[in-house]
Amino acid sequence: DIQMTQSPSSLSASVGDRVTITCQASQDISNYVNWYQQKPGKAPKLLIYDASNLETGVPSRFSGSGSGTDFTFTISSLQPEDIATYYCQKYDTLPIFTFGPGTKVDIK
Amino acid sequence: EVQLVQSGAEVKKPGESLKISCKGFGYSFTSYWIGWVRQMPGKGLEWMGIIYPGDSDTRYSPSFQGQVTISADKSISTAYLQWSSLKASDTAMYYCARLIVGAKFDYWGQGTLVTVSS
Repeated sequence: DIQMTQSPSSLSASVGDRVTITCQASQDISNYVNWYQQKPGKAPKLLIYDASNLETGVPSRFSGSGSGTDFTFTISSLQPEDIATYYCQKYDTLPIFTFGPGTKVDIK
Repeated sequence: EVQLVQSGAEVKKPGESLKISCKGFGYSFTSYWIGWVRQMPGKGLEWMGIIYPGDSDTRYSPSFQGQVTISADKSISTAYLQWSSLKASDTAMYYCARLIVGAKFDYWGQGTLVTVSS
């Protein structure tokens, strides 16, 4: 079973800061990684699919990169409305969908 | 507009049965997989299983196989998640979500809170 680790588990940054979250898979998963944002009390929202593609309507300050085992999610300039928990999600055959443990992002 | 609308919050006792629902609007319900995701209080997201309403093909996460049943009624564009005997550890928020090409969950329901307590 392919495991996903995500780091950090939480972070605090100032408005305008660049924020980076990483996910690492225990085996090569090509680009089968998506990223979601979950605000408190709300359902998750898809932000990035296939590692680096921005979902329609999502602000361009959000981006993703990586392939194989190492993936990165970036907020280029943190805004107050970005306070949320962010999850990576991987897909492999069977099918199996696994979410990372999440990264809680706060404003410093 | 694509929408997934879930049934309301439930409070149940251990050992009771439960079936919650997820109704799709604004798209061809039979053409997309629907997934169920659990979120225990203060915890992360866990994928439970998926169903293709067109033919009811169902796949379960190994962690949830045998613990829940996923079904669908395509005539009313509704997917279901059910338990035959609830446990306190089933207390959680449950989300349904549409699965599209690329294995991404693009639209989500608002969630159904299930509380199991004696």
